[in-house]
Amino acid sequence: EPEVTQTPSHQVTQMGQEVILRCVPISNHLYFYWYRQILGQKVEFLVSFYNNEISEKSEIFDDQFSVERPDGSNFTLKIRSTKLEDSAMYFCASSEARWAGPAEAFFGQGTRLTVV
Amino acid sequence: AQSVTQLDSHVSVSEGTPVLLRCNYSSSYSPSLFWYVQHPNKGLQLLLKYTSAATLVKGINGFEAEFKKSETSFHLTKPSAHMSDAAEYFCVVSDLYSSSNTGKLIFGQGTTLQVKP
Repeated sequence: EPEVTQTPSHQVTQMGQEVILRCVPISNHLYFYWYRQILGQKVEFLVSFYNNEISEKSEIFDDQFSVERPDGSNFTLKIRSTKLEDSAMYFCASSEARWAGPAEAFFGQGTRLTVV
Repeated sequence: AQSVTQLDSHVSVSEGTPVLLRCNYSSSYSPSLFWYVQHPNKGLQLLLKYTSAATLVKGINGFEAEFKKSETSFHLTKPSAHMSDAAEYFCVVSDLYSSSNTGKLIFGQGTTLQVKP
């Protein structure tokens, strides 16, 4: 069964360092997303990406964040200068396209980012 | 703006007894609603979805949910709990069928289901 895969599963980084979280969406999907879940809090939307551009982003997704689809298979989230409050589980998701837009999202297993 | 409220942060049931996880939603247009489950150290798995077809939706592992527009509810039920059902459950709303839809999902706070032997 096709699945969304994320690497690494756990990343520890020092405050101020850049991190890149990687995702391989399901191959025929065209909509891609990043969400995060700070420990003990709800899952929050960060950004959606379609047709090689951001289609929507949340207030959380400030200039420190960027997304990229560098090739036909990967979808990355970059945090330029990490802060302690960026520590969270980051989920990648993807959806196939239907006539009315994206279908339901399928999620990866997440990358736990710890900023020290 | 869309939102979901999961009315219980923690639910505990005995194995073999019914499960009820409550969810109320708020949406300015006809919503799409989902339940996702997260087992420890695993990703988010889609349990079931409502997208304006039948109001009673059946999902995986014996779960089902009923969309009640008059009550703005989408409660998740299962007739008989199994130990493997112990997990975190998220009620989720989206605007999949709106003209400006980007697929963004709005999550509830989550309900931890504990199943006792």
